[in-house]
Amino acid sequence: GQNIDQPTEMTATEGAIVQINCTYQTSGFNGLFWYQQHAGEAPTFLSYNVLDGLEEKGRFSSFLSRSKGYSYLLLKELQMKDSASYLCAVQPGTYKYIFGTGTRLKVLA
Amino acid sequence: DAGITQSPRHKVTETGTPVTLRCHQTENHRYMYWYRQDPGHGLRLIHYSYGVKDTDKGEVSDGYSVSRSKTEDFLLTLESATSSQTSVYFCAISEGTVPYEQYFGPGTRLTVT
Repeated sequence: GQNIDQPTEMTATEGAIVQINCTYQTSGFNGLFWYQQHAGEAPTFLSYNVLDGLEEKGRFSSFLSRSKGYSYLLLKELQMKDSASYLCAVQPGTYKYIFGTGTRLKVLA
Repeated sequence: DAGITQSPRHKVTETGTPVTLRCHQTENHRYMYWYRQDPGHGLRLIHYSYGVKDTDKGEVSDGYSVSRSKTEDFLLTLESATSSQTSVYFCAISEGTVPYEQYFGPGTRLTVT
């Protein structure tokens, strides 16, 4: 079967660093994605990893280890507006995407 | 922002009635998708399209059909709505080139009573 696991909920303090983990088991691998979704809104694209290593984009970084089926999203200098759900998704084939259930992040003042 | 609209944005319907949701894009992207999002399940793929009149099933396609007669429009039909189809439905588009990201529409909240 195909499966993506991520923690259901995390809490962190404004200004801190938080790491959201994602593990996956899929029949194929064409890339791993992270999306941000604020409550009541549509998901928006954050990052894409296809090769092992770290991709940095401003305050957000994403890491991938294909051999371990593992990724994480690192958020630095947390702001209140970062309170949202973070969705990990894998593209196992050309057209399809499989999403995890998402991690709800609460940022406290 | 990618030009994707969904209509209607909210709908309440009765069990057994047919329902059609529309996704419209102005980006000329080849790939279009329909997802449903439910608490505890995340986003689940219903159907997708890789070109005009080219569609295929996702993981939760039972009870749903789709049509794509033009590049810009992708329709999702619930032939006979059931309460288990109460959900938020998202349409997404993708250009099909690296980094293959998807752009999502604003969503349709469907309630079947």
